[in-house]
Amino acid sequence: GENVEQHPSTLSVQEGDSAVIKCTYSDSASNYFPWYKQELGKRPQLIIDIRSNVGEKKDQRIAVTLNKTAKHFSLHITETQPEDSAVYFCAASTGGTSYGKLTFGQGTILTVHP
Amino acid sequence: NAGVTQTPKFQVLKTGQSMTLQCAQDMNHNSMYWYRQDPGMGLRLIYYSASEGTTDKGEVPNGYNVSRLNKREFSLRLESAAPSQTSVYFCASSELGEFFGPGTRLTVL
Repeated sequence: GENVEQHPSTLSVQEGDSAVIKCTYSDSASNYFPWYKQELGKRPQLIIDIRSNVGEKKDQRIAVTLNKTAKHFSLHITETQPEDSAVYFCAASTGGTSYGKLTFGQGTILTVHP
Repeated sequence: NAGVTQTPKFQVLKTGQSMTLQCAQDMNHNSMYWYRQDPGMGLRLIYYSASEGTTDKGEVPNGYNVSRLNKREFSLRLESAAPSQTSVYFCASSELGEFFGPGTRLTVL
């Protein structure tokens, strides 16, 4: 089955700096790659996603890049703010357009210091 | 529009007891999922239902059963709870599973 590795496990940055979280996946058939943000005691919330036919996607301060050849994808957060502090999860899915089974990475604890 | 709801929010069981976790969604999604979340291990898929009337095993199905009661509801049952099932359980729905419920924090003593 699919295996997703996520690095780093913890990331500490100063407010205003950029943060980058990287994930690799094993199944070349994976075609959907979402990123989730989870605050302490809350549910995971989808923040951005990318499909395999696109190399990069941006939404304000966050962006995701995908390298299908190398089977890795990354989350980039620019101009970080204290409220960006949370656990971030990447995931990969080999499901088709009708449903998906997500395999998650282990998570990255991001801390943004004021 | 409540999205995805789960009950209960918290539960403490003794080893060997049984219980059912309830999940409902009001977004008319075909697919629903059950995940468990353990420290340092991310979320792992227990069971999923691609459509009403169908269920299938995920990565960690042992010790669990599910029922897709109708399009809205997908329940997870622990027949004989074990301490290894202490976890936070999330239900999710949508075609790609991106909408999560608030979670159930389960402790098995």
